[in-house]
Amino acid sequence: KQEVTQIPAALSVPEGENLVLNCSFTDSAIYNLQWFRQDPGKGLTSLLLIQSSQREQTSGRLNASLDKSSGRSTLYIAASQPGDSATYLCAVRRGGSNYKLTFGKGTLLTVNP
Amino acid sequence: DVKVTQSSRYLVKRTGEKVFLECVQDMDHENMFWYRQDPGLGLRLIYFSYDVKMKEKGDIPEGYSVSREKKERFSLILESASTNQTSMYLCASSAFYEQYFGPGTRLTVT
Repeated sequence: KQEVTQIPAALSVPEGENLVLNCSFTDSAIYNLQWFRQDPGKGLTSLLLIQSSQREQTSGRLNASLDKSSGRSTLYIAASQPGDSATYLCAVRRGGSNYKLTFGKGTLLTVNP
Repeated sequence: DVKVTQSSRYLVKRTGEKVFLECVQDMDHENMFWYRQDPGLGLRLIYFSYDVKMKEKGDIPEGYSVSREKKERFSLILESASTNQTSMYLCASSAFYEQYFGPGTRLTVT
């Protein structure tokens, strides 16, 4: 059974700092990995999706990497801003025709002005 | 932009009531999902549907049923609401790669 772990559970940084959020998964037979952002009491917003054949994806100040063989992904946020404060979740989709995602429990990020 | 909408942001129901949560997507996606999210437990899949009238149980289907009569609409039904079904309910849809989520419904069962 796939398990997804996100470390740390919470992170507090000063504005302007570069930071890395970690995601690990136990079964490397994944189809893709997706990073989401969730603001308090809201739904999930998709940030980046990495296919299993890719090593990284970039969008603005965000860069996500994937090392499938070691079961790890990182989300790098450059020059953090208070507006980046949210919970960040990673989710993996199993290979094959199964569309189900397995989620980590998230990292709560606070960027202090 | 993909849009997934849910019928209510907040809902308060009494124990034993039948509850309908509605989800609509506007991107002609084949796949739709219902999750619940609870502190410390994360997101858990309740049911998903890969086509009209087709459904498959997720990880925690007990106490729930679903209906998909039209491609754009996926309903979650609580046949007899119980207090342990108090939660945040999230709907999602996908074509093939990414899943897109709605804003969520915070359901309280008293």
